[in-house]
Formats: sequence, structure tokens, C-alpha cells
Amino acid sequence: DQQVKQNSPSLSVQEGRISILNCDYTNSMFDYFLWYKKYPAEGPTFLISISSIKDKNEDGRFTVFLNKSAKHLSLHIVPSQPGDSAVYFCAARLAGGTSYGKLTFGQGTILTVHP
Amino acid sequence: NAGVMQNPRHLVRRRGQEARLRCSPMKGHSHVYWYRQLPEEGLKFMVYLQKENIIDESGMPKERFSAEFPKEGPSILRIQQVVRGDSAAYFCASSPRKEETQYFGPGTRLLVL
Repeated sequence: DQQVKQNSPSLSVQEGRISILNCDYTNSMFDYFLWYKKYPAEGPTFLISISSIKDKNEDGRFTVFLNKSAKHLSLHIVPSQPGDSAVYFCAARLAGGTSYGKLTFGQGTILTVHP
Repeated sequence: NAGVMQNPRHLVRRRGQEARLRCSPMKGHSHVYWYRQLPEEGLKFMVYLQKENIIDESGMPKERFSAEFPKEGPSILRIQQVVRGDSAAYFCASSPRKEETQYFGPGTRLLVL
């Protein structure tokens, strides 16, 4: 049962343009969402997060939008740079209980930014 | 402040051997999480530990896998009698408190021959 889905396996964008990565979830008990970036042979690096009580969070070139009614979040990268080329994972966390520490990840989207 | 450290980075085992993966959390972090990434898949939660306690092991296979986080020293993920299907990247993450962001180590890539 895939509770967090990233339906686009890959995305190709020109340098300087906007990259939009999408993520859908099914469990309405998720209360916190995160985006991680991963290079080959390295561990995931935290990028940005958003609480379920907000609909937008911004950090420099990265903005995450949350649409709770649609159970959808997206990561916008503006402007995109070749160094942004990596695999991007969205992750979600349940509210409370012993599952509090458990992150549920999507399958990842490979972003390629062309010079 | 050093990040999360994992060793070894690469581990090769033959079927039936034991694999021990180590994770040293970031300084000041007492919460450790283990995840596994199979080829072409996302990361899957395995276990969440706090010093000397297993908090959530709902993602751990019922047999052959165990984890510990002793009072002193790194967290250990132990896989007994490894099989080819155990070949994967194993990532450890840590956080200072359970509600805070998890920071990941570089991973251990296990190959079972």
C-alpha cells in the first residue's frame, strides 16, 4: 500500500526555469511533510518541510505548497540550476503515537536541469 | 558538528553470513532511525530507537533482523544469515527529538553474493 506517491519518475528542465515536483498522499493522518534531495551514492539531504497547518513554506529558491483537501504537495525550485540535478523524495510523518518517528517516502523523482 | 556517520560504506557478504551495520548519530541526537532502499525504490522505514530502547520496529522483518542503540557507542543493525534479497542501501538518520527533522547518513551498501 503506497501511501505517498510521486507519479513522475523523471523531470527535465532548462536552467533558469521553474522545476515543479509533485507528491500525492492517501493517509489524512499525516501531519508533517518533508522534501529530501539525494545524489547517487550519498544519503538524502533535507531540503524543506511543511506542517499540515500551513499551505506554503518558502526557503530561498525552494517553496513547498500543501493542498490538504487534495492530499497533494509540490516543491517549486526557481530558478533551477544544474546542481539541482538529483533524485527528490517527498516524505510524510504521522501525528502522534509510536509511529511519530516513522517517515513514509515516495518513490522519488529524478530531476535533470540542463545548462 | 559532524553529520551522521555510517560504516562500513560498502559491505559484501556471502549468503548465510552475518552483516553488522553501524550508525553514529549527530552530536546531541538521541533518536535514531533505520531505513532500507531497494533498487529502483524509495526508502522504507525499518526501526526507530532511542538510547537503549526500541520505540517502533514495525518495519523490521520478523526474522534475522535486529537493531540496538546502547547507552554507549553507535546504533547497530544486525542481519543474520543474509540472503540475496537483503542486498540494498541501508540508511540511518538521527534527530535531537522525535518531532524534529531527521538527518541522514551516507548509507551502507550491502551486497550479498
